[in-house]
Amino acid sequence: GQNIDQPTEMTATEGAIVQINCTYQTSGFNGLFWYQQHAGEAPTFLSYNVLDGLEEKGRFSSFLSRSKGYSYLLLKELQMKDSASYLCAVIIDDYKLSFGAGTTVTVRA
Amino acid sequence: IAGITQAPTSQILAAGRRMTLRCTQDMRHNAMYWYRQDLGLGLRLIHYSNTAGTTGKGEVPDGYSVSRANTDDFPLTLASAVPSQTSVYFCASSEREYNEQFFGPGTRLTVL
Repeated sequence: GQNIDQPTEMTATEGAIVQINCTYQTSGFNGLFWYQQHAGEAPTFLSYNVLDGLEEKGRFSSFLSRSKGYSYLLLKELQMKDSASYLCAVIIDDYKLSFGAGTTVTVRA
Repeated sequence: IAGITQAPTSQILAAGRRMTLRCTQDMRHNAMYWYRQDLGLGLRLIHYSNTAGTTGKGEVPDGYSVSRANTDDFPLTLASAVPSQTSVYFCASSEREYNEQFFGPGTRLTVL
């Protein structure tokens, strides 16, 4: 089976930085996605990493180390609207994504 | 419409009944997917289709069937619903493999 681990919950203060870690042990690897999901809504795409290193997109950055089976999502200058679940997903096969259970981030004023 | 639509939004169903969840996309994406999302388990792939006319099994296909008669539509059928199929079901699409997936708004299904 696929093993993708993320922390269940994280809490941070508005304006702060939060790092969400994701470790994976999967049967295949063709890239890693991060998705954001607000309560009661559909997941929306945040980032995609297939090569080692850091991808920056505005306040959000994502890092990948394939040799360590490790990724993180960095959220900077946190805003209240960033309160959501963040899902790590590995492309294990051409069309198959395997998702972690998600990390619920709560931003406090 | 723009993106992916799903119907119904929510449904309560008696065990043993047949149910079809509908999914339509207007982005002309080749690939479509069905996931279920349960608390603590994350999203799990049920079935997928990489192009019209072909389908494949995901992680949890038992009790579900799909068809892909054309590019836009990808219905999911529960032949005889059971309470363990109570979940939120998301349909998604992508232009091709490895591309980001776009998700529909979901269907909340309760089987009693």
